[in-house]
Amino acid sequence: GAVVSQHPSWVICKSGTSVKIECRSLDFQATTMFWYRQFPKQSLMLMATSNEGSKATYEQGVEKDKFLINHASLTLSTLTVTSAHPEDSSFYICSARDPPTNEKLFFGSGTQLSVL
Amino acid sequence: QKEVEQNSGPLSVPEGAIASLNCTYSDRGSQSFFWYRQYSGKSPELIMFIYSNGDKEDGRFTAQLNKASQYVSLLIRDSQPSDSATYLCAVYNSGGSNYKLTFGKGTLLTVNP
Repeated sequence: GAVVSQHPSWVICKSGTSVKIECRSLDFQATTMFWYRQFPKQSLMLMATSNEGSKATYEQGVEKDKFLINHASLTLSTLTVTSAHPEDSSFYICSARDPPTNEKLFFGSGTQLSVL
Repeated sequence: QKEVEQNSGPLSVPEGAIASLNCTYSDRGSQSFFWYRQYSGKSPELIMFIYSNGDKEDGRFTAQLNKASQYVSLLIRDSQPSDSATYLCAVYNSGGSNYKLTFGKGTLLTVNP
């Protein structure tokens, strides 16, 4: 399957700081990437759909000014958690489809964010 | 609201037994169905997908789909301790302009040596 690289794998930050997470498609071009969040023992929840060269589409209830998404190239999407607070602590996972018309979703390795 | 329901478990089976994982979905228009395996602290890994009614086999894994009953299952034969993980059911519906997979909460499987 397609390879999606995500880093960092884990990050610890102080409350009020911002954290950037990168997601790269390594062997294919991803015009669209998806950002999920997963709390312990909960399912994956789609946060937003990242579109290359245009604005991201956010799911209901997700603050677009807090979770900034940039998809500047066909292989890179970034998620920045701005002014992070302890309640933002979660497992963040990016994903992409290869090829873009395929329903199968491939995930990055995930980023465990802990906000102190 | 499109929903995907799974028994959260934990489901515990002895090594070598068959593990049966079940999933129901609410959207009758759903077209594609996926099973992901997620180890603790890791991201999901796609292990099976099925589009048509019936059975689909891949090694020790068999996916079963019954669209009339809105039910999809995953059978794991000859279960191994390394199969111990959370199994996520995901459902895709192409209706609308946005691609979206809806995930269940997952079933925790424990295979005992």
